[in-house]
Amino acid sequence: GAGVSQSPRYKVAKRGQDVALRCDPISGHVSLFWYQQALGQGPEFLTYFQNEAQLDKSGLPSDRFFAERPEGSVSTLKIQRTQQEDSAVYLCASSSGPPTDTQYFGPGTRLTVL
Amino acid sequence: SQQGEEDPQALSIQEGENATMNCSYKTSINNLQWYRQNSGRGLVHLILIRSNEREKHSGRLRVTLDTSKKSSSLLITASRAADTASYFCATATVNRDDKIIFGKGTRLHILP
Repeated sequence: GAGVSQSPRYKVAKRGQDVALRCDPISGHVSLFWYQQALGQGPEFLTYFQNEAQLDKSGLPSDRFFAERPEGSVSTLKIQRTQQEDSAVYLCASSSGPPTDTQYFGPGTRLTVL
Repeated sequence: SQQGEEDPQALSIQEGENATMNCSYKTSINNLQWYRQNSGRGLVHLILIRSNEREKHSGRLRVTLDTSKKSSSLLITASRAADTASYFCATATVNRDDKIIFGKGTRLHILP
């Protein structure tokens, strides 16, 4: 595909369930980012990968959040024991250059925790 | 934490008019970017302006940057219904080369 894809597009989870969100970046893009976007707000940085290395995870809100990119391509954001406050849109973006260059975003996964 | 702050929070104008939105930031930057987000979609990059640039154009878009005032503006000329979206500025701050930080956005609505 030509762009960043994310799956699922929508996820409903019961409080306490674990969820896994997938991101397929643009082929060859070295940098990959995860953001959390609450309703009516801008994207909030969660974590950044350069190839398979997670260089910055300072934005992850708690140790229930875990991200990986084992082969430097596809990435998964996992949220354990989901809480209602985790309800948000999770956006993935990739970049061919450094993190401060243009980022290309996927459509996002809307997570609703009941 | 959010570095940039867009103004106004919401803007409604008639189709054909020009739309101007502003972004103010607090810390010195290397570059500033503008993104558009249509409802329920991901963000789309519009323009990147570097700290040593004062103005950039792309089609109907014009971005200015005033580093002395720590502010940027995005002008959309001859607005169209398809311009209805949220617009975000994102800043790459000096000494933080591992991320860009988004503001809360301006919600633009073009009236037919």
